Amino acid sequence: DGGITQSPKYLFRKEGQNVTLSCEQNLNHDAMYWYRQDPGQGLRLIYYSQIVNDFQKGDIAEGYSVSREKKESFPLTVTSAQKNPTAFYLCASSKDGWGTSGIYNEQFFGPGTRLTVL
Amino acid sequence: SQELEQSPQSLIVQEGKNLTINCTSSKTLYGLYWYKQKYGEGLIFLMMLQKGGEEKSHEKITAKLDEKKQQSSLHITASQPSHAGIYLCGAVPKTSYDKVIFGPGTSLSVIP
Repeated sequence: DGGITQSPKYLFRKEGQNVTLSCEQNLNHDAMYWYRQDPGQGLRLIYYSQIVNDFQKGDIAEGYSVSREKKESFPLTVTSAQKNPTAFYLCASSKDGWGTSGIYNEQFFGPGTRLTVL
Repeated sequence: SQELEQSPQSLIVQEGKNLTINCTSSKTLYGLYWYKQKYGEGLIFLMMLQKGGEEKSHEKITAKLDEKKQQSSLHITASQPSHAGIYLCGAVPKTSYDKVIFGPGTSLSVIP
């Protein structure tokens, strides 16, 4: 079955450590996204990638880094520079960023990773 | 900045009752999406609305987008416990067409 996988489901980190969250998709989608979700808030975009070897900062990119070396994979690194990293992280993908008519294709989401900083 | 508002913030209904969730934008949108999320899980895509006045239905869930493309409603008929979860609207604003913004979500509980 096609879909998006994220690992691990739960992650604990000590202050000052970098951690990497995995996101893999087998939907043959070009675009991939990372969001952060905090209680009572909507999703906030961290980084997104429309194509391999290219990515753009979202609204809250500070303290995070990404890579897009393969179409299927879009790992997110939470660095020690991120002041408040405890949150629920969601990865998503879509067929492409936007269609020729300007319509944004719907995004498909992974199950999420809950990161807790101890 | 472009924001999406949702109302109500939370909702508790008895099984079998109808309910409506609203999503409002201060600016015109390219398109609007409805997602459902179980606590601690990813989002499940429900519907996408692109045209002003458009209405779509899936099983007992109906979503509408107003003519101005600034407001959408999600209506559930004869609610069931399986409808419980968080409903989020997402939209592509015409001011920043290259990314989707999300509302804060509406938490729905259905009491058997």
